[in-house]
Amino acid sequence: GAGVSQSPSNKVTEKGKDVELRCDPISGHTALYWYRQRLGQGLEFLIYFQGNSAPDKSGLPSDRFSAERTGESVSTLTIQRTQQEDSAVYLCASSLVGRAEYEQYFGPGTRLTVT
Amino acid sequence: ILNVEQSPQSLHVQEGDSTNFTCSFPSSNFYALHWYRWETAKSPEALFVMTLNGDEKKKGRISATLNTKEGYSYLYIKGSQPEDSATYLCATSHSGGSNYKLTFGKGTLLTVNP
Repeated sequence: GAGVSQSPSNKVTEKGKDVELRCDPISGHTALYWYRQRLGQGLEFLIYFQGNSAPDKSGLPSDRFSAERTGESVSTLTIQRTQQEDSAVYLCASSLVGRAEYEQYFGPGTRLTVT
Repeated sequence: ILNVEQSPQSLHVQEGDSTNFTCSFPSSNFYALHWYRWETAKSPEALFVMTLNGDEKKKGRISATLNTKEGYSYLYIKGSQPEDSATYLCATSHSGGSNYKLTFGKGTLLTVNP
């Protein structure tokens, strides 16, 4: 079956512009996660969705970052007024249930470069 | 702040060698541990999810063990092949209200030379 997909695969943007990243999880997966990996760092948790609600937004680095999920499916991560430190690979993952004994299935990521 | 440490940071082996990496994590309130393989330009792929102390899991030439009391897991690859070249990620979850959340180490980059 179809896995997790993300778009765009690459995005180059100028500092100060807004960007929107999209994630299509596996159908039927109630839990959805956003992570990012900056150069030389590990994967960093950003936000967790259970259904369309986000009970944990603790990893969002600033109020320029926001995310939503609709129809218990597609999620978008929006970064406003991008800064150079936002450059990273942004990964989305979904799992059947929001508990860590369940596998997370990752998308291929969006590489964001802020110039 | 949870700290998941992986060692070594990188590793070069010859085809046919067996190798292993370590993941260390806080033992308190342990809930689950995940191993992923991440090849360049691809999605991270789940290898194992482990929850029980003493657990051992195997998939082909790759196996993993878990010691929750002392806070470590080993990943073993027997007879490495060039296609095993990837970054291997370890992530753990701890109970106490956030048993959905994974904290990742920085990974071990494995290069297998033909």
